[in-house]
Amino acid sequence: GAVVSQHPSWVICKSGTSVKIECRSLDFQATTMFWYRQFPKQSLMLMATSNEGSKATYEQGVEKDKFLINHASLTLSTLTVTSAHPEDSSFYICSARALASGNTGELFFGEGSRLTVL
Amino acid sequence: QKEVEQNSGPLSVPEGAIASLNCTYSDRGSQSFFWYRQYSGKSPELIMFIYSNGDKEDGRFTAQLNKASQYVSLLIRDSQPSDSATYLCAVNPLDSSYKLIFGSGTRLLVRP
Repeated sequence: GAVVSQHPSWVICKSGTSVKIECRSLDFQATTMFWYRQFPKQSLMLMATSNEGSKATYEQGVEKDKFLINHASLTLSTLTVTSAHPEDSSFYICSARALASGNTGELFFGEGSRLTVL
Repeated sequence: QKEVEQNSGPLSVPEGAIASLNCTYSDRGSQSFFWYRQYSGKSPELIMFIYSNGDKEDGRFTAQLNKASQYVSLLIRDSQPSDSATYLCAVNPLDSSYKLIFGSGTRLLVRP
């Protein structure tokens, strides 16, 4: 299957700092990437849809000024958590849909990035 | 509010048995349905997807879809301890651009 890589896999930061997470599609071009967040023992909650070359679409309740998304190329999307606070500590997972997926809707997931804000 | 419902479990089955995982969804217009497996601390990995009513088999896995009842299930035959994980049901709603809405997952434990 297609490979999606996330970096960093884990990060610890102080409250008030900003953290950038990268999501790359390694062997395919991704027109659309999705950012999910997962708290312990809960499901994946979609945060936003990232489209190459255009603004991201945020889900209801997700602050676009706090979670900055940039999808500057067909292989890279970044999520920046600005002024992170302890309640932002979570497992952030990106997923990508290949250009050639047609209508299957199949998504490929990155390995996830675990953020801990002290 | 689009919702995907799953029993959180844990569902405990002996090795070699059939594990049956169920999922219901609220958006009647949903088009495609996915089952993902997630090990603790890892990201989800796709097991199967299904679009049409009926059964779809892939090795030890069978997905079943009943759109009239808004119900999708996953059967795992000859369950192995390595199948122990959380199984996430995901739905692609009609009005979405391929985004997936996930259920909360069912934890499966396969006893040796």
